Order: sequence, then C-alpha cells, then structure tokens
Amino acid sequence: GESVGLHLPTLSVQEGDNSIINCAYSNSASDYFIWYKQESGKGPQFIIDIRSNMDKRQGQRVTVLLNKTVKHLSLQIAATQPGDSAVYFCAENIKGSARQLTFGSGTQLTVLP
Amino acid sequence: NAGVTQTPKFQVLKTGQSMTLQCAQDMNHEYMSWYRQDPGMGLRLIHYSVGAGITDQGEVPNGYNVSRSTTEDFPLRLLSAAPSQTSVYFCASSFTPPQGAVYNEQFFGPGTRLTVL
Repeated sequence: GESVGLHLPTLSVQEGDNSIINCAYSNSASDYFIWYKQESGKGPQFIIDIRSNMDKRQGQRVTVLLNKTVKHLSLQIAATQPGDSAVYFCAENIKGSARQLTFGSGTQLTVLP
Repeated sequence: NAGVTQTPKFQVLKTGQSMTLQCAQDMNHEYMSWYRQDPGMGLRLIHYSVGAGITDQGEVPNGYNVSRSTTEDFPLRLLSAAPSQTSVYFCASSFTPPQGAVYNEQFFGPGTRLTVL
C-alpha cells in the first residue's frame, strides 16, 4: 500500500468556515512534507511545506501541523473561500531518496456558498 | 518565464504505438521528474533526473524511457503503449536544494492526458 494516505476522500465546508484536511504517513524516515493544491485540469500547486524538525508552520491563511508521534499531518485553511475548492494532496520525502515524493491519494475540498 | 510546459495536452494512442511526451522548463532547474496520476490516486514517480545526462528510475518506471540531453528538456517515451498507461502525466522541475537544505519546491506542468485504446 501507499506510505501516505488521507483519512477522508471528500470534505465540504461552508464559505468562511475553517477547513482541516488530514493525512497519515507510515515511514518514520520521512523528513519533509508538502501540501499541494490541484484544481481541475491543472497541475499540482505548492501550498506549504514543513520539515520533520518542526511541529507547526504557518502561511497565508494556511497552517500545517505535524505530529511525528502518531505520524499525522494536517492542513488548516482559515476562512475558506470558493477559490479553495480543489483536491489537496500531502506528499512526503523520505530522507536520502533524492527528492522523490510519495503522494497521498488526495482529498476533494468543496466550498459551499 | 513560461515555467514548465508540456505537449501535447491530449493524446489518444492505439495499443502498441509509441510516442514521446515533451516537457520543457525555462527556469534553469537541475532536477526534473515525470509523474503519472490515475483516477482517485496521488501522483506516482516514473523517472527523474538530477541534471543533464543523469536519469534514474522512480516508483513505476516500466514501459517508459527518458533522456536528459539538455537542462531544459526532459522527454518521456512510451515504447509500446498499453491500456494500463492510460493516465494523466505531469512533469515537474526544481532547483537543487542548497547545502544543508532538505528539499526545494517542485513546479508542475499542466499535464498531458493520455488514452490508450
């Protein structure tokens, strides 16, 4: 099976609410994690990353939390907007794997008006 | 900058045909890679290159060949297309991380949707 997986395949939130997208990983040697956003018909777009020596990292309206104890990663989107509707992927880089990324299967986020 | 460009956007092949998916980047990135994305799944790495003249296999390399004769271009060749290769293919590129850094952001192209009948 895949090393990185997502708990829920779909997530619907009301516009203005906060969104939380979860991701589990199984490889304790992973030292870098990335969240990508993919809109329909487009390639993945980098959102935010976090290194394994960090627990939290914040960007503009987005926060990534890393819990190495339970091998869990989450992406929080504040004040979700219609433009946030997309598929969100987490990906991990295993230390020493020459920048190879292992992707999860994705969560479809739908923002309701 | 055009970023990462891919051609064609769509392609239909018959089983056994060969073709080359083109990928080019104008950001002088050393690292380039090819992924495939199947419905309901994440991206899986096919092949990658850390610089001109250097290529290596990823997670799912069978049925695909690559070459890297220049920094800018990284074509993906299907030697004998099979229905199992029906997928969306993405090319990505990035700079080599500076010393001590773990990773650099990869920039993805818009993808090529391939159907093999």
